[in-house]
Amino acid sequence: SFELTQPPSVSVSPGQTATITCSGDNLGDKYACWYQQKPGQSPVLVLYQDNKRPSGIPERFSGSNSGNTAKLTISGTQAMDEADYFCQAWDSSSAGVFGGGTKLTVL
Amino acid sequence: EVQLLESGGGLVQPGGSLRLSCATSGFTFYNYALNWVRQPPGKGLEWVSSISGAAGATYYADSVKGRFAVSKDNSNNTLYLQMNSLRAEDTAVYYCAKAMVDMATGTDLDFWGQGTLVTVSS
Repeated sequence: SFELTQPPSVSVSPGQTATITCSGDNLGDKYACWYQQKPGQSPVLVLYQDNKRPSGIPERFSGSNSGNTAKLTISGTQAMDEADYFCQAWDSSSAGVFGGGTKLTVL
Repeated sequence: EVQLLESGGGLVQPGGSLRLSCATSGFTFYNYALNWVRQPPGKGLEWVSSISGAAGATYYADSVKGRFAVSKDNSNNTLYLQMNSLRAEDTAVYYCAKAMVDMATGTDLDFWGQGTLVTVSS
């Protein structure tokens, strides 16, 4: 079955660049998206179709997807970016698949 | 403003049934697919089911196939999830989420509700 793997945690200093990876077999052949979830809140779409930002998402959020790995990059990370991040794609049987999530700590 | 509001969660015994509702507003209901996604307490997200807007095509995760049924009522802009034969591992917050286009699969979820908690326990 198709699976997506994320690192459980990533730490970054304020103002630096954070990169969160999402790995899956031939993930680059599919579209990946990314959701941000803060404690006690619902997920928010921050990137879709690999690298597009929905309205209202800051330009510091960017993405790429090639080979087996999709990446979410946050440039100039701010304290408000501290959250859990989930990647998502769709497998060949039309089922949605989420990565296990990455806790981003800004310290 | 797009809004999705889930209801119907609660405590149910193993083997029992529950129907969740998701009342929507702020968009043309039948022009977009809708999804259910769940999150066990303290854990990650799991896609559960989706339904297309116009055609009503449905899709399910293997973990719920045969037990859960998704449906919608275009006359009152409401999405439903009928959950039968519930198990302890179905305990989670259940979110409804709107897709960006009228595709039940392969698209991204741009608006989410606040979720409703389902607890399966004796």
